[in-house]
Amino acid sequence: SQKIEQNSEALNIQEGKTATLTCNYTNYSPAYLQWYRQDPGRGPVFLLLIRENEKEKRKERLKVTFDTTLKQSLFHITASQPADSATYLCALDDPGGFKTIFGAGTRLFVKA
Amino acid sequence: SAVISQKPSRDICQRGTSLTIQCQVDSQVTMMFWYRQQPGQSLTLIATANQGSEATYESGFVIDKFPISRPNLTFSTLTVSNMSPEDSSIYLCSATGSQETQYFGPGTRLLVL
Repeated sequence: SQKIEQNSEALNIQEGKTATLTCNYTNYSPAYLQWYRQDPGRGPVFLLLIRENEKEKRKERLKVTFDTTLKQSLFHITASQPADSATYLCALDDPGGFKTIFGAGTRLFVKA
Repeated sequence: SAVISQKPSRDICQRGTSLTIQCQVDSQVTMMFWYRQQPGQSLTLIATANQGSEATYESGFVIDKFPISRPNLTFSTLTVSNMSPEDSSIYLCSATGSQETQYFGPGTRLLVL
């Protein structure tokens, strides 16, 4: 079955720097990969979706890359701000149906 | 996009009782899902709520313990039956429309004593 690996250790960075989060998967290559943001006590919020035939996608200060050879996605937040502090979840489609498989997430702390 | 509300937002329940969580979407959606999330853990899919038919449960989850209803395209309920402290968790409802993106409710925080 598909496994998603995200760094369980929190990432601490200084305001203004670029945060880079990693998502690795172990089995089949998904048709698409998504990133969500989750704040404490709240449900996840969709950020970006990248398809298997796309190498990179950008949205404002966010950038996602997708390397199907390495089975890895990188999520970048440029010019990070304390308001970017949250848990970021990687999610893949399940080819057997309409389900989505979520990683455990990486907690990001941006210090002012 | 879709806006999803859940009721209750939190509850404290006694073991052996049942709690029904409601999920309301502000627009018609294709799929609705119920997840469970332990603190610091990933989201675990409980089931897919199917309109007008029985829900599709994931391995480890059964209808007797987690009965689900979806009477129309914008509403679903999840009941946690005969609760034990192990059921303490956050329960999340989500929905998808024509795209793959999932929209989540704010979650229901359940504590079973």
